[in-house]
Amino acid sequence: KAGVTQTPRYLIKTRGQQVTLSCSPISGHRSVSWYQQTPGQGLQFLFEYFSETQRNKGNFPGRFSGRQFSNSRSEMNVSTLELGDSALYLCASSLDGIQETQYFGPGTRLLVL
Amino acid sequence: SQQGEEDPQALSIQEGENATMNCSYKTSINNLQWYRQNSGRGLVHLILIRSNEREKHSGRLRVTLDTSKKSSSLLITASRAADTASYFCATDGDNAGNMLTFGGGTRLMVKP
Repeated sequence: KAGVTQTPRYLIKTRGQQVTLSCSPISGHRSVSWYQQTPGQGLQFLFEYFSETQRNKGNFPGRFSGRQFSNSRSEMNVSTLELGDSALYLCASSLDGIQETQYFGPGTRLLVL
Repeated sequence: SQQGEEDPQALSIQEGENATMNCSYKTSINNLQWYRQNSGRGLVHLILIRSNEREKHSGRLRVTLDTSKKSSSLLITASRAADTASYFCATDGDNAGNMLTFGGGTRLMVKP
């Protein structure tokens, strides 16, 4: 099976802009989670989607949002970008249960100038 | 916030030696997972250990879990230069769903 794919792999934006990142889970996986990784804060959970519904949400401002489509593909959006949003954004997928192994994609590296 | 703390933060060993990394966490868990990350790339899943398990093996990896001490360890035996990476533990806590809380990671360098 193909692994989790994320597009784009690299992105450069300026402050105030918005960005949309995409994640395609492993075929058959219905849960998609998003994480932000920065040198200062480490890996932090953003949100999880399951069957097109947000099931969990981390402690991030409302500028961070996401959605999931009927084919389980997911997108996350960050509006009004700030310098501190520069990070590696990782997507993970798992089957339809909970507390299962999550498989991560290669990530999207976002640089905000 | 990070639930786990990993110890040591960095570890440098020679090829062929064993590497041990420790992880402590704060809340009750259903399972604990270990991941490897090579130089800012995606996370590779290594092993999952459930709260009712005490030890698990996978190839050169051995993971232990002590829920009474809220700690876990990852042992890599006969390390190779290709094992050079950052290693993270992640716990699911008691949330509904797949939210993981990660430790700060251990940076392992294996010198040839």
